[in-house]
Amino acid sequence: DTGVSQNPRHKITKRGQNVTFRCDPISEHNRLYWYRQTLGQGPEFLTYFQNEAQLEKSRLLSDRFSAERPKGSFSTLEIQRTEQGDSAMYLCASSLGQEINYGYTFGSGTRLTVV
Amino acid sequence: TQLLEQSPQFLSIQEGENLTVYCNSSSVFSSLQWYRQEPGEGPVLLVTVVTGGEVKKLKRLTFQFGDARKDSSLHITAAQPGDTGLYLCAGRGGTASKLTFGTGTRLQVTL
Repeated sequence: DTGVSQNPRHKITKRGQNVTFRCDPISEHNRLYWYRQTLGQGPEFLTYFQNEAQLEKSRLLSDRFSAERPKGSFSTLEIQRTEQGDSAMYLCASSLGQEINYGYTFGSGTRLTVV
Repeated sequence: TQLLEQSPQFLSIQEGENLTVYCNSSSVFSSLQWYRQEPGEGPVLLVTVVTGGEVKKLKRLTFQFGDARKDSSLHITAAQPGDTGLYLCAGRGGTASKLTFGTGTRLQVTL
C-alpha cells in the first residue's frame, strides 16, 4: 500500500468554476477525513466519513462544498462556484478506526489557487 | 468548539539549541497527538498521548500530556536542521470524534 493518494497535486482555476478533488485512502482504513489548510496555519476540519456514511460536516462548510465516498473507498470533494477565499491546501487523511490512539495518515494534499 | 493554541507561532534557532513548544486549551481531550509537516506535504504523526501526566520520548523529542489533559508540550533537545518544519498538536474530544488541530508552530533550525 502506497499510503493516501490525492489528485491533482495542484489546481489553478478561475473564480466561478467548479473543481473536484480525489482522495484514495489506505485500503483497510474505514475512516476518511477532509481538512483545509491555509499557509502556516493548522488544518481546519471539513468533513469525515466512516465507510460510505458522511458522519459529520463542519458548520463552516458552505453549501458550495460537497463530498462523497460512494463505495466506502475513494472520496471526492467538489467545490462549486469557486471564490478566491477557497484558495488553500485541501488535505485528505484516513484512519483505521475511532480508537483514541489511532492517528491519521495524510495525503500530500491538493493545493487550490483561485484566480 | 475546542480550540488548541500553540506557542510560540514561530521559532528560529541554531543547531544544538533546546526548545519547547506548548499546546494549550480550555477543553479536556481524551487523547492528544503531535504531527510534523514539511512544506508541500501532509502532516506526519509523531506521537499519541492518552493518560494525564504521560511522558513519551522519541529520540531527542519529549512529549508530555498535562495532568488535566488540557495541554501538552513538545521539547526538542539539541535541535538539528532536519527538525525544521511545522509542528501541530491535535486533540480528540471523545472516542468517536475527529481531531481538532492546533494553530501550529513553525520551527526553523539553522547551522
